[in-house]
Order: sequence, then structure tokens, then C-alpha cells
Amino acid sequence: DTEVTQTPKHLVMGMTNKKSLKCEQHMGHRAMYWYKQKAKKPPELMFVYSYEKLSINESVPSRFSPECPNSSLLNLHLHALQPEDSALYLCASSRAPLAGQETQYFGPGTRLLVL
Amino acid sequence: QKEVEQNSGPLSVPEGAIASLNCTYSDRGSQSFFWYRQYSGKSPELIMSIYSNGDKEDGRFTAQLNKASQYVSLLIRDSQPSDSATYLCASGSDGLTFGKGTHLIIQP
Repeated sequence: DTEVTQTPKHLVMGMTNKKSLKCEQHMGHRAMYWYKQKAKKPPELMFVYSYEKLSINESVPSRFSPECPNSSLLNLHLHALQPEDSALYLCASSRAPLAGQETQYFGPGTRLLVL
Repeated sequence: QKEVEQNSGPLSVPEGAIASLNCTYSDRGSQSFFWYRQYSGKSPELIMSIYSNGDKEDGRFTAQLNKASQYVSLLIRDSQPSDSATYLCASGSDGLTFGKGTHLIIQP
């Protein structure tokens, strides 16, 4: 089973709203990732959690706040977003961020529209 | 800075033919390489991973890695219309760096 689930599938929010994206996996993976994908562009790495600790933050604006409550869950808290933040947000997981164990499996994504 | 380069296409291939997708990378220290398929509006789906020089086959797909030339390729044999998608080449172990993707069209 290589399933990563994400909720919600779609989200529309105003620039003053606070919302959260959720990601879950039950494969025993210890690394989880957030990517952002704009239309006709490849995914861009945002954050990496390794063993529930934030290990990489790719200079993402503070209006995006990740959280890893446990080894199965990953959240992305959104606050005061801009219209240019509209994108597909992808969660992925891998056994570990180590050579040979880093094959990443992606969830279906959350399509976010900021008005 | 790690970079992964792909020709964005579109690459048009007749049904039943071999589709050949290519990718180069800049980081000589990269050890792990992946091919993902992405249909429009969907998330990336893993096709192949490759770590060692040479060929790796899985069904109709063959990945090839040449570390000396910093080159990765994906061959799709007996191409089907359902193979029409964007193919993303990626590298990395603690977060993936993706190429821009090659848009593949299989013509019936």
C-alpha cells in the first residue's frame, strides 16, 4: 500500500482567512514533504520533515506554517495568503530521507484558490 | 544549485512505437533518480527509480542512468494512448528537484 491521503481536495479562501491542509500516511514512513505546484510548472519543494522534525525549509514565507503532530500526520497551516499562492499543494512521504530509502509517494493534492 | 533539465516537448510518438525521454542533471553528487508520470490535474505517480549506472526494466518501461555523462533516460516500449502525460525527471534524497517535465503525446 503506497497511499498518501490529503484533505481537502479543493479549498477556496480569502486573503484574511486561516485554513489548514492535512496529509496522512500509514506506511510507517518517517519522512514527509510539502510541495507547491503552479500550473504547467514542476513541483517545488517547500518543507521536509524527518522523524517528525523540520529538517528543510526552502525559504518559504511565514504565512505557510507546517506542523507534524506525529509520524503519520502532516499539516500545513495557511494564514493571510496572497492570490499568487493559488496552486496545487502536494504532500509526499518516504521511508526516510536517506539514499536508497527516499522514494517518495505523492498524495492527490489540495487545489487551493486564494481570492 | 542542483538543476535537472528536460526538453519540455511536446514529444509526439505513434502508438506502438518507442518513446524516449531524456534528462540531465548538474549535481555530480546525486545518487537517486526518479521518473514520475503526471496526468493533467492529477498528482505525480512514480514510474521508476534508479540508483546505479546501467539499465533498469519494469514492464514496458526502461530507465537508463549514466553518471559519467550525468544523464538519465526513460524508454517506453509499445506506447499506448494512455501513456500520454507529462513525464517528470527528479533527483534527490532529502527533497526532490524536478525537471520541467516532458509532455508526451501518443498518436493513435
